[in-house]
Amino acid sequence: SQELEQSPQSLIVQEGKNLTINCTSSKTLYGLYWYKQKYGEGLIFLMMLQKGGEEKSHEKITAKLDEKKQQSSLHITASQPSHAGIYLCGAGSGGYQKVTFGTGTKLQVIP
Amino acid sequence: DVKVTQSSRYLVKRTGEKVFLECVQDMDHENMFWYRQDPGLGLRLIYFSYDVKMKEKGDIPEGYSVSREKKERFSLILESASTNQTSMYLCASRQPGFAYGYTFGSGTRLTVV
Repeated sequence: SQELEQSPQSLIVQEGKNLTINCTSSKTLYGLYWYKQKYGEGLIFLMMLQKGGEEKSHEKITAKLDEKKQQSSLHITASQPSHAGIYLCGAGSGGYQKVTFGTGTKLQVIP
Repeated sequence: DVKVTQSSRYLVKRTGEKVFLECVQDMDHENMFWYRQDPGLGLRLIYFSYDVKMKEKGDIPEGYSVSREKKERFSLILESASTNQTSMYLCASRQPGFAYGYTFGSGTRLTVV
């Protein structure tokens, strides 16, 4: 089965700083999803990457899928307290109907 | 906006009780999913459904069953609740095809005592 490893597991940054979260797969990624979760709540869909080298942005968050389609990175520019939460990557599997998730990266942004 | 509603945010049940977790979506999505989320283990898929009356086991179906009698509603049933089923339960729905992301409910935090 596909395993997704996220790094770092947790991150504390000063407001205004940039940061990067990585998601590495044991298998080729055919669909890679990024989600954000506020503590104790459901997940919010951020974006999906499909093609090698693809890059997408949503407000100050940019995600990229590498050419080999085994690693994705999520970059936040000029972080704000509203960016705090848990970021999870997910990969399509089982005919792409199911999504397998990484264990998440917990982000704290200090004002 | 698509909305996925889970009936309870917090639930406390006794060991051995039969527990029903309800999930309703309002956007006519065909696919619905139940995950549980535990610290250090991330989200794990319990069951999913492609259509009404259709169900498929996920990665950890033991101790659970599901029901989907109507397209908008997907219920998770704990036949005989145990303490190791204390967890955050998340329901999600989406259109078929992996280009679409899931829409998640707010979650139900279940404690079995």
